[in-house]
Amino acid sequence: QLQLQESGPGLVKPSETLSLTCTVSGGSISSSSYYWGWIRQPPGRGLEWIGTIYYSGGTYYNPSLRSRVTISVDTSKNQFSLRLSSVTAADTAVYYCARGARGANYLGYYYYYMDVWGKGTTVTVSS
Amino acid sequence: QSVLTQPPSVSAAPGQKVTISCSGSSSNIGNNYVSWYQQLPGTAPKLLIYDNNKRPSGIPDRFSGSKSGTSATLGITGLQTGDEADYYCGTWDTSLSAGVFGGGTKLTVL
Repeated sequence: QLQLQESGPGLVKPSETLSLTCTVSGGSISSSSYYWGWIRQPPGRGLEWIGTIYYSGGTYYNPSLRSRVTISVDTSKNQFSLRLSSVTAADTAVYYCARGARGANYLGYYYYYMDVWGKGTTVTVSS
Repeated sequence: QSVLTQPPSVSAAPGQKVTISCSGSSSNIGNNYVSWYQQLPGTAPKLLIYDNNKRPSGIPDRFSGSKSGTSATLGITGLQTGDEADYYCGTWDTSLSAGVFGGGTKLTVL
């Protein structure tokens, strides 16, 4: 079945760029039915949606992070990636990648949910 | 501050029923579909409900979802100690063009 696995450095220095990759196995990232996204969870806090990308490259980002976030996709490697620049201690969190389903019905009502998640990777921002 | 509002905690006895509310606005819950996620301690979130009231394969019918106006509700019947977890609602916000979550609700089964 479909599996997602996050990878990347567990420690990033303040002001530097956080880079993570999500490798998709058991299915194709180029499926026209799905989006691929990143969600994070600071220690002891709730989920924060970071952004999502379609296999063709279209993206949506959290407005509060948009100026620092880039999500990209590499269909040849079946991977998608997250880059978050100018990090501070507030960016310390568990980062999850997930497969998302997104679309709209004939009334213009959007559906959006994440049905397959990676196990998450902890990123600490510290000097 | 989360776009969607959930109670921080709820509790009930084993075998009982509990509901968790999720409040939003016309730009998110009011005109889009709601999903719910269960996060057991130390694990990744798991999809429980999508499209307001649909259950993915493998999710027991003890879990149900509903929506009315700009609010949604997750219901859990026949509570078990294994249901102790954090529960999150989520949806798409049309004004933000972004996904949004509630702040999460911690369920305690007494």
